[in-house]
This record gives sequence, C-alpha cells and structure tokens, in this order.
Amino acid sequence: SYVLTQPPSVSVAPGKTATITCGGNSIGSKSVHWYQQKPGQAPVLVIFYDTDRPSGIPERFSGSNSGNTATLTISRVEAGDEADYYCQLWDSYSDHPVFGGGTKLTVL
Amino acid sequence: EVQLVESGGGLVKPGRSLRLSCTASGFTFGDYAMTWFRQAPGKGLEWVGFIRSKAYGGTTEYAASVKGRFTISRDDSKTIAYLQMNSLKTEDTAVYYCTGTYSYSHFDYWGQGTLVTVSS
Repeated sequence: SYVLTQPPSVSVAPGKTATITCGGNSIGSKSVHWYQQKPGQAPVLVIFYDTDRPSGIPERFSGSNSGNTATLTISRVEAGDEADYYCQLWDSYSDHPVFGGGTKLTVL
Repeated sequence: EVQLVESGGGLVKPGRSLRLSCTASGFTFGDYAMTWFRQAPGKGLEWVGFIRSKAYGGTTEYAASVKGRFTISRDDSKTIAYLQMNSLKTEDTAVYYCTGTYSYSHFDYWGQGTLVTVSS
C-alpha cells in the first residue's frame, strides 16, 4: 500500500508562514488532499486536488505538489489554525484512500 | 445543507457485535461512495472500508485489519449507510466517521463521529 510521510509536528509564530510536507513516491503524479482536524472535531477538507480550496476556506491556505513532496502552506498563521493536518490521496493501485500520519501544528 | 450523522456507538465486550448507522441528507446519496474511517484515541485517521454507488456495482472494499469481520451496506431509499462490526477486538476502539466521496478522490463531507469502545 502507498505510504504518505508527514512530520509529527510543526511550530510557527503567529503571523508567520507554516509549511507542512507530505512525502510519497512520485506523489507529484497523484492528486493530494489536505484536512484540518481540531480536537474533538471531525476532519475538514482544506485543500483538494493539490491546490484547490473548498468554499469557506481562507486564501491563507494553499497547496502544491511536485516530485516526491506535497506541501500545505498556511500564510499569516492565526491561533485558530492550531490543529492536526492530514494529507490524503486515493491509491489507484490498491483502490482505496490513504492518509498520512498527521502533523500537529502548534502556534507559538 | 449536507449532513452526515453517525449513530450506534457505545461500549461493547470483545467478541461481540455492533452496528453503526450513517444517516445522510443534503446531497444525492445514491451517487456517492460511502466510506468509513476510524481514529483510535490519540492516533491518526485509518480507512475502514467503503461501498460504491449502485452505478459502480455497489461493491465493497475493506482494510486488511477489518476484512472478514466488518461489513458495509447501504439503503439508498433511506439514505443510510451501515457498518456492521462483528468479532470486535479491543484494538477496534475508536471514533468512527462516516464520509462520502463522489469522485473517489477526496472527502467533502464528514459526520461528527461516534465512539466505539471495546472493553471487558
């Protein structure tokens, strides 16, 4: 099964830019999606198809995907962005969704 | 407004069974593959399984960890998806989430989750 690798934690000061990576073999050739999950809540889709934002998601959230790394970038980080972030793709070989292990974003 | 509401969770002894329900509204349920994920306490998201729409045969796929023990079904007339869990183990303890995907890519809609605790 396809493996997605995320750093366990990322810390950033308010107002700065947070970068969360998601590594996978030739992940740039696949579509990657990102979810935000706050404690006690269900995941929320924040980026889909590498770079698209669902309605209601701030423009501060953006994504990119190339080579072996997909990236979620959060600009002008706010305290309310503190959450766990998960990358996900649909593994066409095994025909099921795969999640990364998640990254805890801490706003200092 | 899209809503997914899971129900049926609770405390159950190892080896017993439990059936979860996911009641959907606000979207064309029959067009979506309904998927179950779970999240053990303090852990990440784990795919459990999904059922395709009738247009794609209504067939199911399961994670290796639950295959042979869990069964997903759907009632499009009632817009409900089910997760029948048999031979439960302590490691099945988790919050179970119901989601839907139209494109077999990402998951736009999520329920609030229902907690299943397997303990003697």
